[in-house]
Amino acid sequence: QITLKESGPTLVKPTQTLTLTCNFSGFSLSTSAVGVGWIRQPPGKALEWLALIYWDDDKRYSPSLESRLTITKDTSKNQVVLTLTNMDPVDTGTYYCVHINMWVGSPDVWGRGTAVTVSS
Amino acid sequence: EIVMTQSPATLSVSPGERATLSCRASQSVSTNLAWYQLRPGQAPRLLIYGASTRAADIPARFSGSGSGTEFTLTISSLQSEDFAVYYCQHYNHWPMWTFGQGTKVDIK
Repeated sequence: QITLKESGPTLVKPTQTLTLTCNFSGFSLSTSAVGVGWIRQPPGKALEWLALIYWDDDKRYSPSLESRLTITKDTSKNQVVLTLTNMDPVDTGTYYCVHINMWVGSPDVWGRGTAVTVSS
Repeated sequence: EIVMTQSPATLSVSPGERATLSCRASQSVSTNLAWYQLRPGQAPRLLIYGASTRAADIPARFSGSGSGTEFTLTISSLQSEDFAVYYCQHYNHWPMWTFGQGTKVDIK
């Protein structure tokens, strides 16, 4: 059974850097055709893709946020880390970690999400 | 960027009735289209991928259809646990995977 769990601060100040960790089980990120991604949802708004990383360390970023985002993986720890620099109140929302099976194409398993508020 | 437009924004349906949700892409995404269900306090759930393939453990009352720019999610007989928000998402090519604005299915 694949599970993912997001963790990180619930409150960050403007201009700070957000670091979120996704701990997962039930699969290995060294297995071919597997990826892990991050999606967020601001309150009352639509879901938004942020970044994803594949088993071969191929990384993809949202063009609008690319300059602020970094995604990395630690295969030995079954972890993926997302950093988002220069946080702003508009970055407030729920951040989800997702599993991607390239045979499915789209995320097939999601974490429950972690809420982040940006406020001074 | 491909814009995904869902309609209606809210759909009021009685339990046992059929619900039909629409999703339109601003340009063709072939069949690279997924549907998700979001319920408060729960992890989002993949319902349909490839426009019409049910994901694992998804009940047969959920079905998807369409290709190109027009897609439909049908719930044949709404159960209480189906009242939720539904999102379509294209994955035609990265980095521009995008979601629709969502359709809320509530109890009539």
